[in-house]
Amino acid sequence: NAGVTQTPKFRVLKTGQSMTLLCAQDMNHEYMYWYRQDPGMGLRLIHYSVGEGTTAKGEVPDGYNVSRLKKQNFLLGLESAAPSQTSVYFCASSFEMGTRRETQYFGPGTRLLVL
Amino acid sequence: GNSVTQMEGPVTLSEEAFLTINCTYTATGYPSLFWYVQYPGEGLQLLLKATKADDKGSNKGFEATYRKETTSFHLEKGSVQVSDSAVYFCALKYPGGFKTIFGAGTRLFVKA
Repeated sequence: NAGVTQTPKFRVLKTGQSMTLLCAQDMNHEYMYWYRQDPGMGLRLIHYSVGEGTTAKGEVPDGYNVSRLKKQNFLLGLESAAPSQTSVYFCASSFEMGTRRETQYFGPGTRLLVL
Repeated sequence: GNSVTQMEGPVTLSEEAFLTINCTYTATGYPSLFWYVQYPGEGLQLLLKATKADDKGSNKGFEATYRKETTSFHLEKGSVQVSDSAVYFCALKYPGGFKTIFGAGTRLFVKA
């Protein structure tokens, strides 16, 4: 039982390049999330999904797109990377959302550097 | 708007020292409050939570009490270990909502 995994662990991009970050969970969770973590700030929600085939915007969605074609995978895409997108990206999943029983499980993170 | 403020780090303690990491929040109503821990090279893990006023969350020797009157949720541990070295995040979330609001994190170093 691997929990939440993320690929890749680290990536360097040039401005304007594109890439996709992959998140996979093996807990059969309905809900998945993408966050970014920047120095001196807490995690901020980029996009989330309430089930296979669904996506929704979070707090800071601009410059990112997501897809949830399979229940276990949640992809985060950067179409044209900018230096402001240099960050650590975390994926999370949960069995419930919006209840007091909700517990999110986080992946190990992807460190992205945009030059 | 809603926010979470944590004490700035890093916090450096000797093994077996008493730990307090302060967390205060700005919110209306009764959100759930959380402490997450991030060990080096890993993602965040839920450490403890409290869902209503005066509740005490506890786990692995850590405790935090939901204080509505002071809008605080301070994290405490009586005797820290080197293995407690990590970054600790305070957070809040409203039932029915999709967004968790995180504090900036407090890094803890524990020396042997």
